[in-house]
Amino acid sequence: DTGVSQDPRHKITKRGQNVTFRCDPISEHNRLYWYRQTLGQGPEFLTYFQNEAQLEKSRLLSDRFSAERPKGSFSTLEIQRTEQGDSAMYLCASSSGYSGANVLTFGAGSRLTVL
Amino acid sequence: AQSVTQPDIHITVSEGASLELRCNYSYGATPYLFWYVQSPGQGLQLLLKYFSGDTLVQGIKGFEAEFKRSQSSFNLRKPSVHWSDAAEYFCAVGSTSGSARQLTFGSGTQLTVLP
Repeated sequence: DTGVSQDPRHKITKRGQNVTFRCDPISEHNRLYWYRQTLGQGPEFLTYFQNEAQLEKSRLLSDRFSAERPKGSFSTLEIQRTEQGDSAMYLCASSSGYSGANVLTFGAGSRLTVL
Repeated sequence: AQSVTQPDIHITVSEGASLELRCNYSYGATPYLFWYVQSPGQGLQLLLKYFSGDTLVQGIKGFEAEFKRSQSSFNLRKPSVHWSDAAEYFCAVGSTSGSARQLTFGSGTQLTVLP
């Protein structure tokens, strides 16, 4: 297993367009997270899946954002009608286990630039 | 709500000098604590973690951190810095309850290493 994979690594789009990011977690991990990181800041939690169920969403996740994990494996994060404020690095992370301490393994991220 | 403060935005040290990066957290119980490192354009790599037990924890690349409950701190240290340690360092606190058990990150400390 090569870790958490994210695609694309970079995306440049015009304001108003839709974009979709994909995350392939470590295969045996049942938990999957999306974070957003803006310049000079630490990552901020967006949403969490346990298997295919989306169990938590941050207030940062506006109605223009939607995330799915259809078969409990890979996940997609779609941003509709992008705005310049959506420019950020979108990080995916995965972990295993249902209780106890939770160690997240992060992917390299997908950097979005909205012009 | 849990939070993390990293008071130093940017630290510069000479190669071979010792290093200490500060981290203070706010959490209602004994937290899970983490240090991650991020190189430019990359995701986050776990350096070390504290869950319980010995308050001095060892990590990868010669890093260690000490949990001090009385000071709500989890400072990262390295006795002798190498040029390859130049990166951004993030402290994080992990939830010990709830289904998501997501991490809350500080805003990071950028480390520059002088030759």
